[in-house]
Amino acid sequence: AQSVAQPEDQVNVAEGNPLTVKCTYSVSGNPYLFWYVQYPNRGLQFLLKYITGDNLVKGSYGFEAEFNKSQTSFHLKKPSALVSDSALYFCASRTGAGGSYIPTFGRGTSLIVHP
Amino acid sequence: DAGVTQSPTHLIKTRGQQVTLRCSPKSGHDTVSWYQQALGQGPQFIFQYYEEEERQRGNFPDRFSGHQFPNYSSELNVNALLLGDSALYLCASSLGTGGLNGYTFGSGTRLTVV
Repeated sequence: AQSVAQPEDQVNVAEGNPLTVKCTYSVSGNPYLFWYVQYPNRGLQFLLKYITGDNLVKGSYGFEAEFNKSQTSFHLKKPSALVSDSALYFCASRTGAGGSYIPTFGRGTSLIVHP
Repeated sequence: DAGVTQSPTHLIKTRGQQVTLRCSPKSGHDTVSWYQQALGQGPQFIFQYYEEEERQRGNFPDRFSGHQFPNYSSELNVNALLLGDSALYLCASSLGTGGLNGYTFGSGTRLTVV
């Protein structure tokens, strides 16, 4: 069975500093990995994905994520945080081609960016 | 914008009652998935509809059922409500079942069972 772990319930960072939100996965075969963001009282918004190719993927709003197969990680990063980045972030995984295409979500990490 | 629309936004029901939640997918999308998000948890997959058929189902009892209409909109029905069914129910749409370009989520229906 596949699983996704987000080891930090909350991440605090000062505005202008780099941010990292951690995610590790357990998926058989080659995983497809995703990051979503959820603002209060809103649905999830797709940020970026890793399917294959370059381990560093770039997404919306200046976010990027690095796929590390040896560490089974897919950490979300941004070079300079904004107060408006404060939200709940979810990592999701699914098996690659031929497997179940339903994503499994982590529990979420609350990102708080302080002015 | 023609994003995912869910109704109602909030709902309060009594244990044992039945509830129907509705979802209109993003324009151009043909697949609808339903998720349950309990407080402090990530979304849990309930089922997915494509071409008016249930294609995949998560670990939810038969009390949870659904339907997809020819215009791709969908309903989620929950019978014999339990207190534990209280959650945010999210509808997500996509073009095709794989969701490789990401799912578009609605804002959800907050269901409270008392």
